[in-house]
Amino acid sequence: DAGVIQSPRHEVTEMGQEVTLRCKPISGHDYLFWYRQTMMRGLELLIYFNNNVPIDDSGMPEDRFSAKMPNASFSTLKIQPSEPRDSAVYFCASSAGQFNEQFFGPGTRLTVL
Amino acid sequence: GQQLNQSPQSMFIQEGEDVSMNCTSSSIFNTWLWYKQDPGEGPVLLIALYKAGELTSNGRLTAQFGITRKDSFLNISASIPSDVGIYFCAGQLRYEYGNKLVFGAGTILRVKS
Repeated sequence: DAGVIQSPRHEVTEMGQEVTLRCKPISGHDYLFWYRQTMMRGLELLIYFNNNVPIDDSGMPEDRFSAKMPNASFSTLKIQPSEPRDSAVYFCASSAGQFNEQFFGPGTRLTVL
Repeated sequence: GQQLNQSPQSMFIQEGEDVSMNCTSSSIFNTWLWYKQDPGEGPVLLIALYKAGELTSNGRLTAQFGITRKDSFLNISASIPSDVGIYFCAGQLRYEYGNKLVFGAGTILRVKS
């Protein structure tokens, strides 16, 4: 079975450009999480969805960040406009139930020049 | 906010040696989890601990949930080269929006063969 799928794996963009990161959770999972990993702050929860509905977006750093989940098999994290300090690895994870194991995707390494 | 203090930051050990790492917090967690992250991949769950005082093994890995629910340790016995990676502890916390994971900063493990 396929795990969590993220695309692209790497993204290099210039400051001010719009960036869209994509995630396909494991089929049947009803929770989807977006995390950001940096050397300075480690792994931080940005937002999570339950049955496609955003539950907690308090970790989203600024209004430049937005996330959507139009259906059970797809989610996007968008940064507009991007800034160099957004450079990080962004992970998507999904779980079947809130208290069950979260399965992480391979991540998208974002570099904003 | 909640913070997990994970130590040591890094370890460089000889193949065959045992490894020990731990996490402490000022917050009480309902569940403690230990993840491993390989280069270029997302974290993968190694062990989950659900009850204070619980001691759980998974092959060469042993982890314990502290009796105060504020700490946990992970031991790896007879290390091998494929144990190389970053190990994260995570505490599962109930909060106003339901349940979330708080991650430690990670322990980088290098094994000399």
